[in-house]
Amino acid sequence: GQNIDQPTEMTATEGAIVQINCTYQTSGFNGLFWYQQHAGEAPTFLSYNVLDGLEEKGRFSSFLSRSKGYSYLLLKELQMKDSASYLCAVMDSNYQLIWGAGTKLIIKP
Amino acid sequence: GAVVSQHPSRVICKSGTSVKIECRSLDFQATTMFWYRQFPKKSLMLMATSNEGSKATYEQGVEKDKFLINHASLTLSTLTVTSAHPEDSSFYICSARGDAIQETQYFGPGTRLLVL
Repeated sequence: GQNIDQPTEMTATEGAIVQINCTYQTSGFNGLFWYQQHAGEAPTFLSYNVLDGLEEKGRFSSFLSRSKGYSYLLLKELQMKDSASYLCAVMDSNYQLIWGAGTKLIIKP
Repeated sequence: GAVVSQHPSRVICKSGTSVKIECRSLDFQATTMFWYRQFPKKSLMLMATSNEGSKATYEQGVEKDKFLINHASLTLSTLTVTSAHPEDSSFYICSARGDAIQETQYFGPGTRLLVL
């Protein structure tokens, strides 16, 4: 079957760095997405990786290793507003998005 | 980034009534739109995928006669929850994607449905 694994919850301190991991096993691969979802709101797009390596976008970076079925989202200079759930989603061979359950990130002052 | 709107943002209705939710892509043509449901503290659950001008494809376990989806134009899709019951209370979110199948999905703000 298809599977996306990410930690349920993480806690970090304001100003610090946090890495949220995502491992996947899917039938085919056509890219990996990271979305941010604040409580009570819809997800917003953060990043897309289809080739191996690191994509940097401001304070957020996303890394992909296709051979390992692994990605991470790196958040630097954490701010309180970064408290949210972070969803990892993989597009499979049918171009369907397979969603992880999300990682709830709690930022403490 | 692409903008997707959803209306209404919140609706309360009586059991047995039908509720229509609209999803619009405001600045791009959405060849494909997706409807999701999300229960509190749970992951997104894809309900159906709709392509403009054709019938929606429903995920296993989703009743197509209960959740009617219409995608009549490249900027508008509607989800109608027919004969709503309290167990249908949930957060319904649409997303839209352009022409290319590998394109990013952009989400609407969601509709919170409460059935009394």
